[in-house]
Amino acid sequence: NAGVTQTPKFRVLKTGQSMTLLCAQDMNHEYMYWYRQDPGMGLRLIHYSVGEGTTAKGEVPDGYNVSRLKKQNFLLGLESAAPSQTSVYFCASSYDSYEQYFGPGTRLTVT
Amino acid sequence: DAKTTQPNSMESNEEEPVHLPCNHSTISGTDYIHWYRQLPSQGPEYVIHGLTSNVNNRMASLAIAEDRKSSTLILHRATLRDAAVYYCILITNRDDKIIFGKGTRLHILP
Repeated sequence: NAGVTQTPKFRVLKTGQSMTLLCAQDMNHEYMYWYRQDPGMGLRLIHYSVGEGTTAKGEVPDGYNVSRLKKQNFLLGLESAAPSQTSVYFCASSYDSYEQYFGPGTRLTVT
Repeated sequence: DAKTTQPNSMESNEEEPVHLPCNHSTISGTDYIHWYRQLPSQGPEYVIHGLTSNVNNRMASLAIAEDRKSSTLILHRATLRDAAVYYCILITNRDDKIIFGKGTRLHILP
């Protein structure tokens, strides 16, 4: 069981570039989440999904899009990266809305 | 805004018990109290959760006040590996929007 994996681990983008972060889970969880964590701050929910083919906005959704075409994968896209999106991005999954399992994070820098 | 209030930081000596407080005065009847912790450079990990009764698991104990307006996470014998940021979170049964807040940074002194 790999649990929750995130790709890539690190990335540097220039302002205006686009990229997609991939989250994969092998626990057959229905719920998946994308969070961002800025230095010295707690996690903030960007988008989440309660099942394959469904997505919903979280606390800070602007500038991001997501897709859940397969149950095991949850993609986070940045169409036009901005320096304000420099952060550590965590993906999580859960069977229900209770115990969430987190990935190791993706450190993104936008210059 | 986070629905819970926690101290910014706490210190404890190694091998002693640690009591991490959390206030949630506006808790509703359907809110579960969850605790997560985040070790340095890692994603958060689940610690424990409860509704009304005190709960125990292999990692910690959760003591919930009778009026449910506060709770305390208890680490029975702290080790250096318990140094982390601890988050107290309220999750409603069908509420999928989880607000982590800033948590309590726990320092363990050898």
